[in-house]
Amino acid sequence: GENVEQHPSTLSVQEGDSAVIKCTYSDSASNYFPWYKQELGKGPQLIIDIRSNVGEKKDQRIAVTLNKTAKHFSLHITETQPEDSAVYFCAEYNDYKLSFGAGTTVTVRA
Amino acid sequence: KAGVTQTPRYLIKTRGQQVTLSCSPISGHRSVSWYQQTPGQGLQFLFEYFSETQRNKGNFPGRFSGRQFSNSRSEMNVSTLELGDSALYLCASSPRVAGAEEQFFGPGTRLTVL
Repeated sequence: GENVEQHPSTLSVQEGDSAVIKCTYSDSASNYFPWYKQELGKGPQLIIDIRSNVGEKKDQRIAVTLNKTAKHFSLHITETQPEDSAVYFCAEYNDYKLSFGAGTTVTVRA
Repeated sequence: KAGVTQTPRYLIKTRGQQVTLSCSPISGHRSVSWYQQTPGQGLQFLFEYFSETQRNKGNFPGRFSGRQFSNSRSEMNVSTLELGDSALYLCASSPRVAGAEEQFFGPGTRLTVL
């Protein structure tokens, strides 16, 4: 997505370690930030999201943080497992559309 | 609840032909969006429909069009196909009420243009 930068593009972690993916956005009007996980041959799956009035949200092993002042948000996956291997996309929502980052390929090594 | 369904799942066409893709949203969802996914450009927004009205359109040529029916099902059409139209076309549905912007994606239609 032209308005969303996502880093890193690839990430390899040892099973049990943490993974962190960072995104920055440019449109200050954006107020909703979802994260998607896409496995091979499937459509993107919504895994967690955060709204602009919240700084942090957690759901079991995944968490998302948002810094509206700096216009960046991050995905944290703890205690990674082999099934976490996939492509992860961040996105911002504005004007009825999602703008996506370029994606991060996460590989969890056993 | 059944998820978003898209038909067909795979399609092979030749340049110059046209194609129609179909999407059935999650029951009760009134908004349908379409995205194109390619290795080079990533996920790009095509258009969004709510109650049969197009509310936003992405930066795609006029060959790309869509519509939504009264039962919220949606179709998109691509005319005069070009090789560069080869992509995974994803449909997403959303309840789209205040505070519910979540979009849920279908498995996509893989279009190959020869």
